[in-house]
Amino acid sequence: QSVLTQPPSVSAAPGQKVTISCSGSSSNFGNNFISWYQQLPGKAPKLLIYDNDKRPSGVPARFSGSKSGTSATLAITGLQTGDEADYYCGTGDSSLSVGVFGGGTKLTVL
Amino acid sequence: QVQLVESGGGVVQSGRSLRLSCAASGFAFGFSGMHWVRQAPGKGLEWVAVIWFDKNEKYYADSVKGRFTISRDTSENILYLEMNSLRAEDTAVYFCASPTYYDPYAMDVWGQGTTVTVSS
Repeated sequence: QSVLTQPPSVSAAPGQKVTISCSGSSSNFGNNFISWYQQLPGKAPKLLIYDNDKRPSGVPARFSGSKSGTSATLAITGLQTGDEADYYCGTGDSSLSVGVFGGGTKLTVL
Repeated sequence: QVQLVESGGGVVQSGRSLRLSCAASGFAFGFSGMHWVRQAPGKGLEWVAVIWFDKNEKYYADSVKGRFTISRDTSENILYLEMNSLRAEDTAVYFCASPTYYDPYAMDVWGQGTTVTVSS
């Protein structure tokens, strides 16, 4: 069982918007930034969002992140079939000095 | 360019040991924290261990604490993961990853992964 909680799956049609939630506790969300990753089948994860809401160079603006309290959200607009992947949230746990991930959410673009 | 390349995976019997390597290039390896993350077949990501460049502090997931050791050779730009007393549940693809400058737990460079299979 993962430390951070994500829905197992979400789905939406091409062109639509989808959101993926991630919830944790004060020890991991409290003083730490949330990051989001996209993992295509058979590939290494790719960083999509860091510092709650910042995009690395090259990540389209269709991907956005937000954080409020002990929850965070990844939003993807203008869905494309190429966005079908597993998405993970991650952060650090200040009290334990360890990294933690959510269980992952499988996005299906119908 | 910035690159991480893992090696050392393979099939090993339960109870035995294995050492993974991660060769880094294109960035200041000696001044960067480094993580190991694993993914069991069909499962999600699991954080395994981190080594920080300042004070050389090391931290581990409870599932590997006491059995795995993370280390680095800054002269060769290589990160290691020494895995002892391997169990079937350690079977996974193991990734090394380096964090962003701004957030030590946001990993922006990943290797391609190396597969470890522990057989009973």
